[in-house]
Amino acid sequence: NAGVTQTPKFRVLKTGQSMTLLCAQDMNHEYMYWYRQDPGMGLRLIHYSVGEGTTAKGEVPDGYNVSRLKKQNFLLGLESAAPSQTSVYFCASSMGPDRAGELFFGEGSRLTVL
Amino acid sequence: GQNIDQPTEMTATEGAIVQINCTYQTSGFNGLFWYQQHAGEAPTFLSYNVLDGLEEKGRFSSFLSRSKGYSYLLLKELQMKDSASYLCAVGDSNYQLIWGAGTKLIIKP
Repeated sequence: NAGVTQTPKFRVLKTGQSMTLLCAQDMNHEYMYWYRQDPGMGLRLIHYSVGEGTTAKGEVPDGYNVSRLKKQNFLLGLESAAPSQTSVYFCASSMGPDRAGELFFGEGSRLTVL
Repeated sequence: GQNIDQPTEMTATEGAIVQINCTYQTSGFNGLFWYQQHAGEAPTFLSYNVLDGLEEKGRFSSFLSRSKGYSYLLLKELQMKDSASYLCAVGDSNYQLIWGAGTKLIIKP
């Protein structure tokens, strides 16, 4: 019962470095999401996808890019990391429009940008 | 604008009942959701309300009043393991979730 798996779990970057977070789900879900969670704030949607080959911007997309080449995978890229991107990143998936609000989350990836 | 308000922190006693309130103002409404998040872990889905009224699921119940933009999560027979943050979220007109900042619930023996 893997569910949603994120890698890596922890990463420290220097300002300007790039990296990719990988999310994989084995539930055949249509929708996938990338959120960031910062202290004192609600989860904020970065990008999301409603199906293989599609992506859309969320609330805070600047500085991030995503790709969904395969239905089960959703990648989040940081091209040039900034200290403001220090956060905990969560990937999530859901079945589709009828159950769009019932999200299944990965364990999170803690990113620190120095 | 879109706004979801819930108390930052609440304290309750083991075995007691606690009610966590959530008020919202959003563009469109496609359901209200409650999630539980233990410290250092991922959120997990608890409940979903789309119609007014009370939904009961074991020790947890969730209430919704759409006309008042109000919901609450009721936790009965509190256990120490219920110490966690409880996140209120509303589905907007695009079926995306708008999240509150969460209520940290501290359970004391």
